[in-house]
Amino acid sequence: GQQLNQSPQSMFIQEGEDVSMNCTSSSIFNTWLWYKQDPGEGPVLLIALYKAGELTSNGRLTAQFGITRKDSFLNISASIPSDVGIYFCAGQGINTDKLIFGTGTRLQVFP
Amino acid sequence: GAGVSQSPSNKVTEKGKDVELRCDPISGHTALYWYRQSLGQGLEFLIYFQGNSAPDKSGLPSDRFSAERTGGSVSTLTIQRTQQEDSAVYLCASSRRAGQPDTQYFGPGTRLTVL
Repeated sequence: GQQLNQSPQSMFIQEGEDVSMNCTSSSIFNTWLWYKQDPGEGPVLLIALYKAGELTSNGRLTAQFGITRKDSFLNISASIPSDVGIYFCAGQGINTDKLIFGTGTRLQVFP
Repeated sequence: GAGVSQSPSNKVTEKGKDVELRCDPISGHTALYWYRQSLGQGLEFLIYFQGNSAPDKSGLPSDRFSAERTGGSVSTLTIQRTQQEDSAVYLCASSRRAGQPDTQYFGPGTRLTVL
């Protein structure tokens, strides 16, 4: 099935560092979402973006909906050990309820 | 229950056998989605139910895959004549209504292993 290009694939960082990941698509999306998945669990929604150019924060997380509507980034500031997990972007296209997911960014945080 | 539940949590089966995976959505949620997550991959859309409307089956990979949603609540995903490439985690999600992706709540998934 169709998937978004998400990078990087994995990140190994030290506690306290900032993190940035992004997603790009060849298609335009109406909505961009960022999810986090812990081992053995389903994804949990972190941030939802609905308008091109929108910048939204949720605690230490900040995400932006690209102006072209074909990309989005997620930043995590001052990482902590519980940030460990897999982060997925997801896009919702025009006139559809389906979500297209990115390939995921695996984040490891070392104390 | 408080969240989306799925059963079984793990299923090991032999190639060629049929399997049924169950999803109990959050009470009152009218939209229900099935996704497949292969090892190290993102989520792949399979099928989507919204109320009494005909389901969107556009993501089902083959005619061996089917799903039902009885009474607008519980859903069952059936895979007939399983193949090794069907091995994956199958995730179910529900939302209050379609078109509101920020309300899609995921279950813990069923890990299917086809030997």
